[in-house]
Amino acid sequence: GAVVSQHPSRVICKSGTSVKIECRSLDFQATTMFWYRQFPKQSLMLMATSNEGSKATYEQGVEKDKFLINHASLTLSTLTVTSAHPEDSSFYICSANFRGGLNYGYTFGSGTRLTVV
Amino acid sequence: DQQVKQNSPSLSVQEGRISILNCDYTNSMFDYFLWYKKYPAEGPTFLISISSIKDKNEDGRFTVFLNKSAKHLSLHIVPSQPGDSAVYFCAALYTGTASKLTFGTGTRLQVTL
Repeated sequence: GAVVSQHPSRVICKSGTSVKIECRSLDFQATTMFWYRQFPKQSLMLMATSNEGSKATYEQGVEKDKFLINHASLTLSTLTVTSAHPEDSSFYICSANFRGGLNYGYTFGSGTRLTVV
Repeated sequence: DQQVKQNSPSLSVQEGRISILNCDYTNSMFDYFLWYKKYPAEGPTFLISISSIKDKNEDGRFTVFLNKSAKHLSLHIVPSQPGDSAVYFCAALYTGTASKLTFGTGTRLQVTL
């Protein structure tokens, strides 16, 4: 079945630094990937839609200059949290859309716990 | 504007009994609905889905019911097992566009012995 690998699973960084999170589709090509953020005990909030070969589409209220998304290939999307602050600490999850699969092919990565100190 | 809502943040059910998780939506354009199970610090895993042209879909212990007129769906788990303890999210999408999933707020299910 379709597998999405997300790395790292956990990262701690200092305030002001940047952190890159990778999302890979392992056995299929994903023209579209999605990045979500989850605060404790809350829902998954869509941050942006990552489109291969073009600019990402950001949801309202998400700072595109802070959360840089690059989808350079059909199997890799990256989210870079720039100049991280403690309020950016959260659980970030990516999802890839596998066209033609069951349940519309929404497969999720295992998530990345970001802690900014 | 929360278009998909799960009004019960938590639910406790005894092992062997039925768990019923509810979900309401407001956007009538949604035509496909999914249920995901999520453990802490992990990504969601797909459980079961239903198209708006159906009112019921069953897969093993899991059954999803859809009431379009009420904009309501529910997930039934029978019999409930301790391993079912997790947070359950319903999600909706409109298949005609960019197909973005809209998630509900989640219900934490605890299955007790």
